[in-house]
Amino acid sequence: DAKTTQPPSMDCAEGRAANLPCNHSTISGNEYVYWYRQIHSQGPQYIIHGLKNNETNEMASLIITEDRKSSTLILPHATLRDTAVYYCIVRTTGNQFYFGTGTSLTVIP
Amino acid sequence: EAGVAQSPRYKIIEKRQSVAFWCNPISGHATLYWYQQILGQGPKLLIQFQNNGVVDDSQLPKDRFSAERLKGVDSTLKIQPAKLEDSAVYLCASRVAARVWGTDTQYFGPGTRLTVL
Repeated sequence: DAKTTQPPSMDCAEGRAANLPCNHSTISGNEYVYWYRQIHSQGPQYIIHGLKNNETNEMASLIITEDRKSSTLILPHATLRDTAVYYCIVRTTGNQFYFGTGTSLTVIP
Repeated sequence: EAGVAQSPRYKIIEKRQSVAFWCNPISGHATLYWYQQILGQGPKLLIQFQNNGVVDDSQLPKDRFSAERLKGVDSTLKIQPAKLEDSAVYLCASRVAARVWGTDTQYFGPGTRLTVL
C-alpha cells in the first residue's frame, strides 16, 4: 500500500523553481522520505532523501515539515530535462521502498 | 561504476507461456529488489533479497511468480504461466546495505518491458 499522496500533475515554467508537494501523514519516526524521478522508458533515478532535517544536494532541496507529515521537493531552476514523473517514497525500517502514483512534472519553455 | 543490468529489455509472449528476466546488480550490493510497474502506476515491490535470502515477498503472486538469487549476486524472476494482467515493466534495483542505516539508496536498472498477448 502506498504511504504517500501526491498531485497527479504539475506544470512549471523553465528557469523557475518547481515545488512538488507530498503527504505522508502515517510515516513512522524512523522512516525516511526519498524522492526519485522517472523519465519515460528509464528506471527511476535517485534525487534526495531525508529523515527530519531539510536537505540539499546538487539536484534539489527537500523540505520536511516539523511534524514530518508532509514534504516538498524543490528544483531551484527547472529545465526542460527535468520533465519527468517524480515519486515521493517512504523507506520503512525493513528497507522496503513504497512508491505512490507520482507527480508528472512538465517544464514549459 | 557499472549500473544495474537487466535483460532482455523487451519481451512479447502469449498468455499461458513462461518467461524469465535476469538482473545483475551493482558489484558489492547485498540487497536486491524486483518491482512491477504497470503503465501509469508507480513501481510495486514484488520481492526483496538480502544476499541470497528472501527478506520480503509478501506482494509476490506465488502461484505464478518465482524469484531466486542463488549465489547472492545475479537474480532471475520467472512468471509461469503468464496472464494478460502481467503486462508491465519489471524493474530490478540494488542497494549496498550501508552499516549506518539511512545513508544508502537503491539504484535501478532500465527494466524489462513485458507484453502478454
